Amino acid sequence: NAGVTQTPKFRVLKTGQSMTLLCAQDMNHEYMYWYRQDPGMGLRLIHYSVGEGTTAKGEVPDGYNVSRLKKQNFLLGLESAAPSQTSVYFCASRGANKETQYFGPGTRLLVL
Amino acid sequence: SQKIEQNSEALNIQEGKTATLTCNYTNYSPAYLQWYRQDPGRGPVFLLLIRENEKEKRKERLKVTFDTTLKQSLFHITASQPADSATYLCALDGYGGSQGNLIFGKGTKLSVKP
Repeated sequence: NAGVTQTPKFRVLKTGQSMTLLCAQDMNHEYMYWYRQDPGMGLRLIHYSVGEGTTAKGEVPDGYNVSRLKKQNFLLGLESAAPSQTSVYFCASRGANKETQYFGPGTRLLVL
Repeated sequence: SQKIEQNSEALNIQEGKTATLTCNYTNYSPAYLQWYRQDPGRGPVFLLLIRENEKEKRKERLKVTFDTTLKQSLFHITASQPADSATYLCALDGYGGSQGNLIFGKGTKLSVKP
């Protein structure tokens, strides 16, 4: 099992550009999450999904959109990137009736 | 306001000693609290979970305590080794409900010197 994978690993964007981050999990987990991690701020929840076809806002959703068209994939989109979105993005998943979250390796995004 | 705080940004200890990390929270009533380990450039990895009705949990050299009256969890690593050097995050289910959404502390960076 690969667990949780994220692509790309690193990306540089210019202000105003758009991109999509892909998260995939092969553990048949119901729940998936997108976090951002910034120095001094810790991990903050952007959006989450409780199942295929569902999404919900987390603590810091502004500027991001998500989609969960397939159970194993959770996409995070930036429509118009801003320097404030420079961060490390982590995807996580967990099974139903389980509390433990499994994290991907992260995507480092730099917005110039 | 709701807060979760890990009291030390960094903790330096000598190999063989016990490392004790603290996690305090206010204005939450979590059903459980978790501890994760994060190495540089990697995602967090789950270590231990302790529920509100449990006082203590152990796993090999790791021990977690949970005091819901003090609103505090302590995370101990006994006989610490340089390989234990990492950032440790505490997380609690601050949102309630069935989504299992976690609130994370900012982490404590542990350095174990040989």
